[in-house]
Amino acid sequence: QQQVKQSPQSLIVQKGGISIINCAYENTAFDYFPWYQQFPGKGPALLIAIRPDVSEKKEGRFTISFNKSAKQFSLHIMDSQPGDSATYFCAASGTSGTYKYIFGTGTRLKVLA
Amino acid sequence: KAGVTQTPRYLIKTRGQQVTLSCSPISGHRSVSWYQQTPGQGLQFLFEYFSETQRNKGNFPGRFSGRQFSNSRSEMNVSTLELGDSALYLCASSLDLAGYTFGSGTRLTVV
Repeated sequence: QQQVKQSPQSLIVQKGGISIINCAYENTAFDYFPWYQQFPGKGPALLIAIRPDVSEKKEGRFTISFNKSAKQFSLHIMDSQPGDSATYFCAASGTSGTYKYIFGTGTRLKVLA
Repeated sequence: KAGVTQTPRYLIKTRGQQVTLSCSPISGHRSVSWYQQTPGQGLQFLFEYFSETQRNKGNFPGRFSGRQFSNSRSEMNVSTLELGDSALYLCASSLDLAGYTFGSGTRLTVV
């Protein structure tokens, strides 16, 4: 019940295209769902996050779609750029009592110029 | 505003030795969490500290330990190192759980 399943493992997208990464969770106690972006040699950086009381959140080219009934959420990167090439991690957390994140296994995105 | 600072950045140790890693959180952040990142296992939770108290611990052997000081700085220690402990160790700080800020990590290689 503590797993967060992330897919695909890797993704190649043309410049200007849409990148879509999906995550699924099981624990209904999770109430905070962040996405992190990690470049080689760096720690993960918070990209965007959502709580289950909304179905979508958009920040610039990045959008999270959230389906509470299906226990799924996804990251959409519009107009993907070569600079977006990185590893993306979804995560889930119950912000009261558990004090930890459960991370997905990561998606390595490559955007071709 | 300074970010999360982890030292050292790189470390090479021999099997059986012990190692101590340090983390200085963002000023004002009282929660510090540690994660182990490996290609095979991804990001695995080690432990979380808040105001010098460990609030949660992951599924790692007792060789992995940590502590937090009154200024919120944290250290983690790994004793009797094994080859499988080679990993990137990440520290993250936050005001609450809504929004970790990670450091760049300490790359530990055990030979």
